[in-house]
Amino acid sequence: GENVEQHPSTLSVQEGDSAVIKCTYSDSASNYFPWYKQELGKRPQLIIDIRSNVGEKKDQRIAVTLNKTAKHFSLHITETQPEDSAVYFCAANSPSGTYKYIFGTGTRLKVLA
Amino acid sequence: GAVVSQHPSRVICKSGTSVKIECRSLDFQATTMFWYRQFPKQSLMLMATSNEGSKATYEQGVEKDKFLINHASLTLSTLTVTSAHPEDSSFYICSAVGLADYEQYFGPGTRLTVT
Repeated sequence: GENVEQHPSTLSVQEGDSAVIKCTYSDSASNYFPWYKQELGKRPQLIIDIRSNVGEKKDQRIAVTLNKTAKHFSLHITETQPEDSAVYFCAANSPSGTYKYIFGTGTRLKVLA
Repeated sequence: GAVVSQHPSRVICKSGTSVKIECRSLDFQATTMFWYRQFPKQSLMLMATSNEGSKATYEQGVEKDKFLINHASLTLSTLTVTSAHPEDSSFYICSAVGLADYEQYFGPGTRLTVT
């Protein structure tokens, strides 16, 4: 079945620096890749997503890139702020089930003021 | 729009009892809802897919007789943890498929503690 690997598991950056989180998926039939931010005890919040017909998408300080050939996708956060500190999850939709997601293992981002 | 609620937000129950968690899509109809389980500092683990009007589809390793799912309407799915044990203590989160294709909207989660 589909598998999604996510790295790194923890990431600390200085405020103002950039943060990059990388994911790899296994099933080439996946065509939708959302990224979620989750604060402690809260629900995951969609921050950006990308479909397989696009290579890059940007929304202010957040961008996602997709390499279909390598089956990689990455989250880029620029000019990080302390409020960006949270756990970030990537996901890929599972071709075996409509709308079903397989989540990565998560990255705990800490932005140091 | 696309708001999903869960009730209760927290519940403490005794070992051996059953607990029901509700997931509601407040402003849209959801033919498909998902139930996840999340242990501390871990990822979301999909337990089952809940389809309105039909039986739920459970992921491998999830006991369907222990985690009963009912999706009786287009806005409500329920998860009942039967004969709960301390190892069932976890954060349970539901999601519903929204109006746009593929996107899931998550509920706020229910923290279950079994004593």
